[in-house]
Amino acid sequence: SQELEQSPQSLIVQEGKNLTINCTSSKTLYGLYWYKQKYGEGLIFLMMLQKGGEEKSHEKITAKLDEKKQQSSLHITASQPSHAGIYLCGADIRRNSGNTPLVFGKGTRLSVIA
Amino acid sequence: NAGVMQNPRHLVRRRGQEARLRCSPMKGHSHVYWYRQLPEEGLKFMVYLQKENIIDESGMPKERFSAEFPKEGPSILRIQQVVRGDSAAYFCASSPRLGRQETQYFGPGTRLLVL
Repeated sequence: SQELEQSPQSLIVQEGKNLTINCTSSKTLYGLYWYKQKYGEGLIFLMMLQKGGEEKSHEKITAKLDEKKQQSSLHITASQPSHAGIYLCGADIRRNSGNTPLVFGKGTRLSVIA
Repeated sequence: NAGVMQNPRHLVRRRGQEARLRCSPMKGHSHVYWYRQLPEEGLKFMVYLQKENIIDESGMPKERFSAEFPKEGPSILRIQQVVRGDSAAYFCASSPRLGRQETQYFGPGTRLLVL
């Protein structure tokens, strides 16, 4: 089974609308990362969350970590065509400290229409 | 400050040939990770290396795949005797130091197509 589940799998919103993408882990989260991937390109780092209840914002994108629920949400306010792409959550779920590889969800494909 | 660089960006190989994928981490980064993205699947971890050492290869297929990160030069992911199932996007990420909080920065990927 997938260790990280993202929902929805795809999303089409009208320009100017708000939207939320969720990421749920089956294991304890030691760190949660949000990346954006444009089709055929690499991953762009957006934000990292570590502490329960932590919330970070960058421009119109806000991410929150609900540690108890092992869940994170990414919220985009007043979406624009430039927000279109695939949003990936990656998680550090290994108990041991130090650099650890990330596990990723399958991504949420966002389309923004004018 | 240049980001993570990968080359080639696209690679076409016939079944049975070898594929060599290169990754130059960001300046000052000594930790490299390789991930594979199969069609319709998420990114899967393959191997984690520091200079001259393989730290974690739990995600590497047991046969045909190998990775190195020499003292000088880029990290290389090598796939011998490629098969069609190896067709995927291969991403490299780098981080600067040892530590839980260190963000992994990704390169643009190499898209391998096996004919």
